[in-house]
Amino acid sequence: DAKTTQPTSMDCAEGRAANLPCNHSTISGNEYVYWYRQIHSQGPQYIIHGLKNNETNEMASLIITEDRKSSTLILPHATLRDTAVYYCIVRVAGSNTGKLIFGQGTTLQVKP
Amino acid sequence: KAGVTQTPRYLIKTRGQQVTLSCSPISGHRSVSWYQQTPGQGLQFLFEYFSETQRNKGNFPGRFSGRQFSNSRSEMNVSTLELGDSALYLCASGQNQYITGELFFGEGSRLTVL
Repeated sequence: DAKTTQPTSMDCAEGRAANLPCNHSTISGNEYVYWYRQIHSQGPQYIIHGLKNNETNEMASLIITEDRKSSTLILPHATLRDTAVYYCIVRVAGSNTGKLIFGQGTTLQVKP
Repeated sequence: KAGVTQTPRYLIKTRGQQVTLSCSPISGHRSVSWYQQTPGQGLQFLFEYFSETQRNKGNFPGRFSGRQFSNSRSEMNVSTLELGDSALYLCASGQNQYITGELFFGEGSRLTVL
């Protein structure tokens, strides 16, 4: 699985959009980008994933660059409850494995 | 639909002892993965079980072992505990084909080794 690089920490004002970047320059053609988050003292929670098209669900939007070497997770209207560590992971979908390689993630602090 | 259940949530052991942690996956999920989370190393994959067979294994010593039962419930065991084994142990369940690649994590078992 390709390695990802994320900023260590970011701040965001409550109600504003939070844009979390991720670099995955060695991503392979069959690897998807996944985002999970971990709120303090809880298990990680799946947010969204995508291959090359932009994706949106009830939690967030995922923007993947055309060359697929980087992506951005967007929380459109951040709330205090979005304060968490956000992990960007690349892996082969449908690979029949529950193995995820977590990096250090980005600690997002949403401030009032 | 009940989520992933891990027991116990907290436990304290002393060096040299052994510990067994339990995980009940979401109903219908047949894959269970285990992760260790420490402040220094972050989240690290331990192993994965599917249909009572270990399917993947991380880079941990043999003191760490696991098994899965026919009802998909899983246990992991750590023998001869060391101080460095103090961690949050997380269990995740998933469907066989991982079509969405989504894993569902439990709240974890926090182990303290004194």
